[in-house]
Amino acid sequence: KNQVEQSPQSLIILEGKNCTLQCNYTVSPFSNLRWYKQDTGRGPVSLTIMTFSENTKSNGRYTATLDADTKQSSLHITASQLSDSASYICVVSGDSGAGSYQLTFGKGTKLSVIP
Amino acid sequence: DGGITQSPKYLFRKEGQNVTLSCEQNLNHDAMYWYRQDPGQGLRLIYYSQIVNDFQKGDIAEGYSVSREKKESFPLTVTSAQKNPTAFYLCASSTRYSYNEQFFGPGTRLTVL
Repeated sequence: KNQVEQSPQSLIILEGKNCTLQCNYTVSPFSNLRWYKQDTGRGPVSLTIMTFSENTKSNGRYTATLDADTKQSSLHITASQLSDSASYICVVSGDSGAGSYQLTFGKGTKLSVIP
Repeated sequence: DGGITQSPKYLFRKEGQNVTLSCEQNLNHDAMYWYRQDPGQGLRLIYYSQIVNDFQKGDIAEGYSVSREKKESFPLTVTSAQKNPTAFYLCASSTRYSYNEQFFGPGTRLTVL
């Protein structure tokens, strides 16, 4: 069964500090891995998408890494800001061929940045 | 201004009533999706459509229905057969294949009274 596990479930950090969120998956065959940011009561917004051949991708203060061998990804947030407070969702796409649907969502990590 | 919109933002329903959630996109995307989000749970797929006049059941389709008469629109009806409909509903769209990036709408929060 395809699964995406995220850790920690929740995290509280001080403004200005760095943090790293983890995502482990068992989706196979693998197509791509995405990180989304979801503010409370809003729709998710894409941060990064990585394919099998990419092992790091940055979007401003957000840097995602991917180890396809160990099936692990991390999202590193540098110099956190209060606006980073949100849930971060890891989503893995399985390549079923012919465009058939196979997305597996993690439950998310709820990040709170405090002054 | 391209994007995906959902309405209403909040919706209240009495038990036994059907309600329809609206989803519109002007991104010229072929594929559209409906998800349900519950506290502490990952998004779960209700229905998806990869082309006009065609749609497929997702993981939790029971008690829901959809239509795709226009490329821009993918309304979701929550029927009285859905036993626990209180949730946050998200619509998304993408280019034809689901392994491409999905763009999400702002969501509709449905509460059954």
